[in-house]
Amino acid sequence: AAGVIQSPRHLIKEKRETATLKCYPIPRHDTVYWYQQGPGQDPQFLISFYEKMQSDKGSIPDRFSAQQFSDYHSELNMSSLELGDSALYFCASRVRGGMNTEAFFGQGTRLTVV
Amino acid sequence: AQSVAQPEDQVNVAEGNPLTVKCTYSVSGNPYLFWYVQYPNRGLQFLLKYITGDNLVKGSYGFEAEFNKSQTSFHLKKPSALVSDSALYFCAVRDREGGATNKLIFGTGTLLAVQP
Repeated sequence: AAGVIQSPRHLIKEKRETATLKCYPIPRHDTVYWYQQGPGQDPQFLISFYEKMQSDKGSIPDRFSAQQFSDYHSELNMSSLELGDSALYFCASRVRGGMNTEAFFGQGTRLTVV
Repeated sequence: AQSVAQPEDQVNVAEGNPLTVKCTYSVSGNPYLFWYVQYPNRGLQFLLKYITGDNLVKGSYGFEAEFNKSQTSFHLKKPSALVSDSALYFCAVRDREGGATNKLIFGTGTLLAVQP
């Protein structure tokens, strides 16, 4: 079965650089979530989209932005990277309109800022 | 505010013994409850969920969880642990109210170590 695809899997950037993380949800899933997981931490919610519109916002820094495109894939854009941005970034997707459906997570993108 | 507590950072159990990973939650109303497992450098894999109905829910890989409304708990259990069950386990809640896009709130995770 198709899963959530994230790219790249690993990314190394220098401080103050920019990074773009991509997420391709499971087909027919219309809701996408982004989470950040620091070393030894639980996943922290960043932002979510439903039908290409931002639906909720969590602890996402102003330096970050995201969007969901017409094909439902999503991109997380990160600028002025800081050492503290080093983390595992997860994308998750959920099926259309289902209040009781579970979210499926991608493998994550490991971002290292040096 | 919604919150999830996993009181144990680590649970150690011998292979073949039953295991329990604890989770309690604090949320208004009746939430949806989930368990996810994370293997090293991997994504979160869905194990099981409680939506409504029977308080005992069965999930993947022989895991089950018991919803206890009075104790606001959702403990994960397995009758006989395997070494391959060793991983990081996250309990999560999602509010029923507010629309279909509500986010998951995760607990801090419990590392399960199963000794051969």
